[in-house]
Parts: sequence; structure tokens; C-alpha cells
Amino acid sequence: AQSVAQPEDQVNVAEGNPLTVKCTYSVSGNPYLFWYVQYPNRGLQFLLKYITGDNLVKGSYGFEAEFNKSQTSFHLKKPSALVSDSALYFCAVRDSNNAGGTSYGKLTFGQGTILTVHP
Amino acid sequence: DGGITQSPKYLFRKEGQNVTLSCEQNLNHDAMYWYRQDPGQGLRLIYYSQIVNDFQKGDIAEGYSVSREKKESFPLTVTSAQKNPTAFYLCASSLTGYTEAFFGQGTRLTVV
Repeated sequence: AQSVAQPEDQVNVAEGNPLTVKCTYSVSGNPYLFWYVQYPNRGLQFLLKYITGDNLVKGSYGFEAEFNKSQTSFHLKKPSALVSDSALYFCAVRDSNNAGGTSYGKLTFGQGTILTVHP
Repeated sequence: DGGITQSPKYLFRKEGQNVTLSCEQNLNHDAMYWYRQDPGQGLRLIYYSQIVNDFQKGDIAEGYSVSREKKESFPLTVTSAQKNPTAFYLCASSLTGYTEAFFGQGTRLTVV
């Protein structure tokens, strides 16, 4: 079964400092990995994805993420945090081995990490 | 204006009543999803569908039902069998079963 873990419920960082939000995953095949952001009482907004290719992927609003197959991780990063980055962040995974089976298309999310950027 | 529309935004129901949440997309996406969000528990998958007239149970399907009669629509019914239905419900769609999903704005259901 596929799963995602976000080991930190909360991350606090000062504005201007780099930020990292951690994510690890478990799949039987190759992972398709995604990061989303959610503001209060809203739906999720897509930030970036890793499907294949370069391990460092760049996304919206200056965010990037690094795929590490040996550590089964996909940490979200930003070189310089903004107060407006404060939100709830979710990591999600699909499993390539689901193709052709009843679990094809299943998209599993982590528990979420609250990011707070202090002025 | 393309996107995913969930309605209503807020919904109140009495305990024991079934209620149906609407989700419509005009993105021509094949796949659609329903998630439930509770504080501290992230998003939990209720049902998903990759094609019209077919859908799969997610991780917490008990007490819920869905239909996928049209590509653009994926309504969710919260039945009286769902023991704790008060939650924030999110609908999403994706072009295929491998691509990123896009979300609606959610429906907050309160059962009293």
C-alpha cells in the first residue's frame, strides 16, 4: 500500500531564512510525487511535482523540491521564506505499479505540515 | 472559466439524514476524487473514479456513496451510516491517473 509521512506537524522559520518541509513516501513501484499548499477554509493549490528526470524540481512561488530515491524523500524547500508562505503544506504520492489495477490513479496525502514564517 | 466547482460551500443537516455534495469540473479530466479533511488528520481518500461509470473505494469509504454517470460530475452522498460526518469535504480532478490533481474550494458539512 502506498503511504506518505510528513514527520513535522509544524515548522517555524524567520522571514528571509531558508525553509524545508519534510516528506517521505512508500510505494511498490516508481513514485509520482506532489506538493500542495492550503490556506484556511480553501481548497489545495498545486505547487510542484516529480514524475521523472532531474531530482530537483522547481515550482510555483519560488518553491522547489528534491527527490531522493535512496532515502524515499521529497522535501520541499525555499531559499528565502516570506511571511505570506505561512500555510498548511501537503505532500502526496501516486504509485506507478497501480497501472492497470484497481488502485490506478489513487492519490494519497500526508498529514500536512503547518508552516509559520515569523517577521 | 475552467475549474472545479463544489456546492454548497456550507451545508447543515440533521443527524440521520442523507446529504449529497456536488462536484462539477469543466476541465475534461478523466479522474475525480473525494477527500475528507479533519483537523490534524490530513486528507483521507473516500472514493475515486478514473472513468465514467466506474469508481473505487478509498481508505474511508464506509458511510459514503458516489456515482459517475457523467465525466464532469462526481457527486458524493453522505449517508446516515456515516458515524461522524461533520468535516470539510474536498473534491479534485486530474487529467489522468498519473498527473497532478486540482481541487475545488470545499464544502463544510455540519451535522447537528
